[in-house]
Amino acid sequence: NAGVTQTPKFQVLKTGQSMTLQCAQDMNHEYMSWYRQDPGMGLRLIHYSVGAGITDQGEVPNGYNVSRSTTEDFPLRLLSAAPSQTSVYFCASSKGFYSNQPQHFGDGTRLSIL
Amino acid sequence: AQSVTQPDIHITVSEGASLELRCNYSYGATPYLFWYVQSPGQGLQLLLKYFSGDTLVQGIKGFEAEFKRSQSSFNLRKPSVHWSDAAEYFCAVGLKAAGNKLTFGGGTRVLVKP
Repeated sequence: NAGVTQTPKFQVLKTGQSMTLQCAQDMNHEYMSWYRQDPGMGLRLIHYSVGAGITDQGEVPNGYNVSRSTTEDFPLRLLSAAPSQTSVYFCASSKGFYSNQPQHFGDGTRLSIL
Repeated sequence: AQSVTQPDIHITVSEGASLELRCNYSYGATPYLFWYVQSPGQGLQLLLKYFSGDTLVQGIKGFEAEFKRSQSSFNLRKPSVHWSDAAEYFCAVGLKAAGNKLTFGGGTRVLVKP
C-alpha cells in the first residue's frame, strides 16, 4: 500500500518554464488537495478536489492549475514558473470531504525557481 | 478572518524532559483541531485530533492535547521527550462547513538535547 506518492521529489526550474507536479493515491480517496509549505507560514491550501471532475480553489491558487480526471491522480500545473513559487509542495488525500476524515500526506516535492 | 497561531517558532528541550507546544486559534465557531508532526524530509503525520467530547485527547507516540474553549487553545504535551521527537509540529484547524480545508499554524520546530 503506497499511500500518497508525489513525483518528482526535487526540481529546479527557470523563470517562465512550466511543469506538472504529480500526485497519485491508491486508497480510493475522494478528497485530494495541494498545499505549499513556506518557512514560518505553515501549509497553505492551493487547490482541492472532492472527486473526479470536481476541483476548487484554496487560499493561494494564483499561478497554479489542477484537474482531476481519475480518482487516483491529482496533478498540479505551474503554467509559468516564478521565483515566488519556490516552495515545498505537498499533496494530501482523505476518504471524504469533511474534516473529520484524517488526511494522508505525500513526502513532498521541493521546487526551486531560478 | 480565521487564523491559527503557534507562538513558539523553536523550542529546545532536554531528552526526558516534558514538552508543551502552544496553539491558539481565532474562529467564529468551535472548530475541529489537529496536531501534525513532520520529520525532516517527510510529509505530515497526524498525531491527534479533536472533534467533540472529552477535551483531553490522546494521540500517538505518547502525545496528548487539551482543548480549552475559553482560551481558544489546543496545546500539545508530552511528559517525557525522546530524541526521536525532534521534528516540526503543526497545529491545524478546520470547520465542518468548510470540509477538509484546513488552516495551519506556522509550525514549531523542536530540538532535543541529549
